[in-house]
Amino acid sequence: EADIYQTPRYLVIGTGKKITLECSQTMGHDKMYWYQQDPGMELHLIHYSYGVNSTEKGDLSSESTVSRIRTEHFPLTLESARPSHTSQYLCASSRPSGSAETQYFGPGTRLLVL
Amino acid sequence: QKEVEQDPGPLSVPEGAIVSLNCTYSNSAFQYFMWYRQYSRKGPELLMYTYSSGNKEDGRFTAQVDKSSKYISLFIRDSQPSDSATYLCAMNYGGSQGNLIFGKGTKLSVKP
Repeated sequence: EADIYQTPRYLVIGTGKKITLECSQTMGHDKMYWYQQDPGMELHLIHYSYGVNSTEKGDLSSESTVSRIRTEHFPLTLESARPSHTSQYLCASSRPSGSAETQYFGPGTRLLVL
Repeated sequence: QKEVEQDPGPLSVPEGAIVSLNCTYSNSAFQYFMWYRQYSRKGPELLMYTYSSGNKEDGRFTAQVDKSSKYISLFIRDSQPSDSATYLCAMNYGGSQGNLIFGKGTKLSVKP
């Protein structure tokens, strides 16, 4: 089982609140990712990082922001949550496997914005 | 056209059946093909990955890639109720070039 952790697992908040979703990995992986997953839909990449002080936006536009101050930690922040942010957020990290990148996922955070 | 197409199912089979899960893709530059399994309320976990065309077997699971048809498959032999999950295909260009592109996932239910 992969050593990647996400907190909280479930979160219900009101519109306009600022929230931070935490993600930590103990595998020393350089690359980390945030995905958004809605029921019956593809995982959509919203942010990724190649390493400390490196962050990039993914394929899906998101109002969230991320930071990477430490290798093991990749938090995602929503400054002002809206109902449209309701979704499952999955964090992942990767190591090279041959020439492929093997991604390991956390258990996810289910967010409900009222 | 989506880069990766996967029938979302649901697919229901009796225990012991052979299951075939499939994805098609449009980008011929993809080199690495992966299958992830996702149980309810959990994150995806990597089952297998394959480079380019060919077959790869791991226990009851076999992954096949046909690059000429842009078609990949995952076969599960002697399916078990514990195999009930959503199976996602994913692919990329390889190495640090390009991030994974996922299919929608196929929800599988294996009935005892």
